[in-house]
Order: sequence, then C-alpha cells, then structure tokens
Amino acid sequence: DTAVSQTPKYLVTQMGNDKSIKCEQNLGHDTMYWYKQDSKKFLKIMFSYNNKELIINETVPNRFSPKSPDKAHLNLHINSLELGDSAVYFCASSQDPGSNQPQHFGDGTRLSIL
Amino acid sequence: AQRVTQPEKLLSVFKGAPVELKCNYSYSGSPELFWYVQYSRQRLQLLLRHISRESIKGFTADLNKGETSFHLKKPFAQEEDSAMYYCALRTSYGKLTFGQGTILTVHP
Repeated sequence: DTAVSQTPKYLVTQMGNDKSIKCEQNLGHDTMYWYKQDSKKFLKIMFSYNNKELIINETVPNRFSPKSPDKAHLNLHINSLELGDSAVYFCASSQDPGSNQPQHFGDGTRLSIL
Repeated sequence: AQRVTQPEKLLSVFKGAPVELKCNYSYSGSPELFWYVQYSRQRLQLLLRHISRESIKGFTADLNKGETSFHLKKPFAQEEDSAMYYCALRTSYGKLTFGQGTILTVHP
C-alpha cells in the first residue's frame, strides 16, 4: 500500500535515447511534483501539477516533458537523454499547493546515462 | 528569491553526543520550514515541521525569525541517526526549496 510509487526504480540507458518515468499516488492528493537529486545530492524541484494542471515549471530543458493524465499520476518523459541527466528523480505529492501538510516522496528512480 | 543554506556538508559525532544541524533561510514572506531525512538509498521522509513544534526521534527544531534559522538538534545522537538531512522552505504553490543537505555520521 505504498503511498507514492515510481517506476522503474533503476533505469540505465544510452545517450540520445528517450525514456519515461511513471509516478502514482494513492493518497487522494491534488498536487504532484518532480524533483531531481544530482550527484552532489542537491535536490531541486522541476515541475508541479495541481489537478492535472502545470503550476510550477522551473528552468528545465524542454527535453523534459511532464504529463498528468489524472491527478493521481504524474509521468516524466525525457527526450534525447544526455550525460548530465544522470540523477535520482523523486516524485512527491501533497494535499494541495496551499496546504501546510507535508509532501510525501516516492522511492526515487535512479537514472544512469551511459 | 528564497534560499536555504546548510553550511555543513558533513557532520560527524560520537554516539551519545549532542548534535546540531544548522539551517538558515532567506525569504520575504512568512516561512514554512521542514526537516526531511534520507536514510541510505531510501526515500525522503518528513522529520519535522516548524508549525508542529513536536519532537520526533528525539529531534527538535525551533524557528528563529530574528536569526532566520531553523536548526535541528538532538541531545544524544544514536547510530541510527546517520543519514542525509535536508532543511526545506515551502513557498508559493507548495514548492519546496531545499538546502544542500548535511550528511550526519554517528560513530559508535
């Protein structure tokens, strides 16, 4: 009964490929997020969706395209993967963007670009 | 713009010693601050939030608006406290701005 689940857990692929990471939450939250944790463990927000609508879009290359088919899912598609995309990507969810309730994180997807 | 600073990348203490992980923030609005913990290769978990004023696993953190700080403290560190600790500031649209993280190692 994992609250926020991401697939796959590990992803190893070659430069130039296109890949997707999926995220699902069963908490009934309205808001979902994608964060990137780089090799130095620095954690930074990439995107946020509230009820399927994009509300946060940080300075992220347009090779990254989030998609939210419904409020329980937020997928991340990455085109033309580059070496610098190697990182751990964390999905998170919260009740709504204005809530003071904490965000719940998934286990992370470790992306390695060869 | 908002900013969170954790000045110590690494912090080592011995079991039973007090520990303090520093966090300073910069934000023009009313701050909402959190501490998250990440054990080895696990997900981030919420440890504390300033509005709760609670103690979790022996840790406490007090928001000091005058010093713009939210330091995390524990009087007696345990080996199982070894982890990465992130201080985070919540701003508009629920966005969390994280500090650089502090790796705490508690030696036996």
